[in-house]
Amino acid sequence: SQTIHQWPATLVQPVGSPLSLECTVEGTSNPNLYWYRQAAGRGLQLLFYSVGIGQISSEVPQNLSASRPQDRQFILSSKKLLLSDSGFYLCAWGTASNQPQHFGDGTRLSIL
Amino acid sequence: TQLLEQSPQFLSIQEGENLTVYCNSSSVFSSLQWYRQEPGEGPVLLVTVVTGGEVKKLKRLTFQFGDARKDSSLHITAAQPGDTGLYLCAGLDRGDDKIIFGKGTRLHILP
Repeated sequence: SQTIHQWPATLVQPVGSPLSLECTVEGTSNPNLYWYRQAAGRGLQLLFYSVGIGQISSEVPQNLSASRPQDRQFILSSKKLLLSDSGFYLCAWGTASNQPQHFGDGTRLSIL
Repeated sequence: TQLLEQSPQFLSIQEGENLTVYCNSSSVFSSLQWYRQEPGEGPVLLVTVVTGGEVKKLKRLTFQFGDARKDSSLHITAAQPGDTGLYLCAGLDRGDDKIIFGKGTRLHILP
């Protein structure tokens, strides 16, 4: 069966520090991969998605970036975090862009 | 871009009561999904509906897709504290061939 792992579960970072969140999927090949941010009352905001290794589409311009170095690995990064980057970050995978998505347990990021 | 409006935004009811939450749009969706999210966790897929008028049941949860495929409802019978969570609907945007999410209904069942 397919599983998705996301870490860390919680992270507290100072403003201006770098960020690296990692997501890996097991039990499937060539999945679509997604990064979302979820803020209270604002629903799920799609940040990045990838249909293959090295292929990244950005939905919202910001100081975050994403990379897919391997088929089942998706990384969310920042060189310098802002206070506004605080939130709950979710990674998800799907078999295709029009198919249901399966989510990791999320990372709660707090910027101080 | 299609939008999904969920209502109510918040709902707090006593254990044993029935409830219905809604997911509406002015646009037609090819399919629609419902997810439940518990605090500190990711959303979990409950059901996908595809055909206009389709009804699916998952124990005490009944999901219906509108005849015109513009809206959907989730009805819970005899709600239990374990039903507490954020219920999200998501629709397939035919134009972009992508899934878009509503903002969710936060449900709290009081014991």
